[in-house]
Amino acid sequence: DTAVSQTPKYLVTQMGNDKSIKCEQNLGHDTMYWYKQDSKKFLKIMFSYNNKELIINETVPNRFSPKSPDKAHLNLHINSLELGDSAVYFCASSQVVTDYGYTFGSGTRLTVV
Amino acid sequence: AQKITQTQPGMFVQEKEAVTLDCTYDTSDPSYGLFWYKQPSSGEMIFLIYQGSYDQQNATEGRYSLNFQKARKSANLVISASQLGDSAMYFCAMREGIWNSGGYQKVTFGIGTKLQVIP
Repeated sequence: DTAVSQTPKYLVTQMGNDKSIKCEQNLGHDTMYWYKQDSKKFLKIMFSYNNKELIINETVPNRFSPKSPDKAHLNLHINSLELGDSAVYFCASSQVVTDYGYTFGSGTRLTVV
Repeated sequence: AQKITQTQPGMFVQEKEAVTLDCTYDTSDPSYGLFWYKQPSSGEMIFLIYQGSYDQQNATEGRYSLNFQKARKSANLVISASQLGDSAMYFCAMREGIWNSGGYQKVTFGIGTKLQVIP
């Protein structure tokens, strides 16, 4: 049983396209996150949702729009993809108060050509 | 200012030896938590160890221990008896922020240290 699952694992698309990445967790966690890992391996938080409510929205272009239909799902939609969006996107989840950090999904490698 | 600083971009260690990966942090929150994650070449992020700011003792998990020096704001990861499978990127991270009615908890990651274990 996968705790945090992301789909797709790989995504290759052309500039200007719109794409979505889906994330689901079966851990009963209250909070879900999207992180972006760039080519230098730097992990930066993008969004966080707590019980379907947006609580963290870092400086991210508004082409990126998260959607949380319920607390077990947090999807990421990206409009008008650009070359600079190429990265690995990680979904993660945690309890409201956690001593155990996040549980990460396996990541989605997005390549924009 | 950097919240999390990892000054070692790469480290080598001989198999079966111990290695220390450095991490310093910066926060004004009285309550915070420090984590270490491992990212092997396969790409997944694996939680290793956690240290709370009020914990009196250093955290340990198997071969991993966290050398927490609060006054120096350092949280170094010590891996004892290195194994070939320990070769990976290691990220130090810090949780800070307070919980309000909406819930707020932000975790910031360092830039990572690439550890290579030599046979």
